[in-house]
This record gives sequence, C-alpha cells and structure tokens, in this order.
Amino acid sequence: DAGVIQSPRHEVTEMGQEVTLRCKPISGHNSLFWYRQTMMRGLELLIYFNNNVPIDDSGMPEDRFSAKMPNASFSTLKIQPSEPRDSAVYFCASSLVQGSYNEQFFGPGTRLTVL
Amino acid sequence: KQEVTQIPAALSVPEGENLVLNCSFTDSAIYNLQWFRQDPGKGLTSLLLIQSSQREQTSGRLNASLDKSSGRSTLYIAASQPGDSATYLCAVTGNQFYFGTGTSLTVIP
Repeated sequence: DAGVIQSPRHEVTEMGQEVTLRCKPISGHNSLFWYRQTMMRGLELLIYFNNNVPIDDSGMPEDRFSAKMPNASFSTLKIQPSEPRDSAVYFCASSLVQGSYNEQFFGPGTRLTVL
Repeated sequence: KQEVTQIPAALSVPEGENLVLNCSFTDSAIYNLQWFRQDPGKGLTSLLLIQSSQREQTSGRLNASLDKSSGRSTLYIAASQPGDSATYLCAVTGNQFYFGTGTSLTVIP
C-alpha cells in the first residue's frame, strides 16, 4: 500500500483565497483524521471521521474551516477565506479502528503558507 | 481535558547509549498510547502502540511501557544510533486524541 496520500505537499496562497487540501487514506481503513501542526500549539486534532461520518469536529477552529468525506477513499479540508494565522502543516491520518484498537498512520502533510 | 507532557523537550546523547523518553498524561481513561517519530519536515511514523490492557510493546531496539494508574509511559531506545535522531511524540487515545509536544533527540556520532 502507498500509505496515506496528501496533496498538495506545499501550498502558498494569499489571504482571502480558498484553500482545499486533499487526502486519500489507506485502503481498508475506516477512520480518518485531520490534524494541524504549528510550533506554538503542536499537533491539534481538527476533525475525525468514522465510516465517512464526522464524529468529532470540536477541534475545527472556526466556520472558515470545513471538511468532507464523500467516500471511503477521499477527504477534503477546506479553508475559506484563508488567513495568515492558518499557516501550518496539515496532516491527514487514517486507521482501522477495531474496538478500542486505533493505530494511526500519517500522511506526509501539506505545508500551507498564507501571505 | 487530557494533558500530555513529554520531558525532556530535548535530549542529546552519544552514540551507543541507552536512553529513556518519558510521556505523562493526566486522565488514565485511555484506550491506547502510541509512540511516533517525526523527522524534520516529514510526517509522523508510528513506532509502537500499547493498548490499555497491555503493559509493554517491543519492536527491535525499542521498548515502550505503559502504567495507566500513574499516567506514565516510557520509550526505551537501546544502543542509540545517529539515525535515531528525530522528534519523538506520544499520543493518547480516549474519547478524544491528544499528542504530547515531543522530545527532540540528537544522537552524536
């Protein structure tokens, strides 16, 4: 398996623009997680899906952020409009959750810079 | 709210030394604890996962232990190598998911 795939790897945009980050989880995994990593706040969980359904989006910072998972093999995280403080590395992770067992596998991340 | 702490924040050791990284958490109601390594500019690589019913897991030169009652986990690295240099993060899974801030390890040749 190719692992978790994220695109783009780098994104530079101007304040106010819409940004869409994409993730393809590992085939067969039933859970998907979006994280944001910054020097100041470390790794923060934004939202996670189980069987394509959003379970907990309490980490989504504000209404400018939205995430979708239309099928088991694809998810998007959208920021509209983007702001400089959104600059961070965004990671997608997936896992095969069986009972309480939940080993997460991370993608390489998307480094977002908002000017 | 769960708080996950990793001490020390940075560690520098000579090659060949055995070392221990620490992770502590405030809420013992966890399902799993997972150790990751992160290389600069890269994603996280899963090293070991310990379920709440387990006491330890081993993979090669790595051994992770879990003491839920005291809210602690340790990652033991035997015979450290320069290639072990990275940031090591622990994450606890309960009703939510929380990461520690990591320990930056440098192994000096």
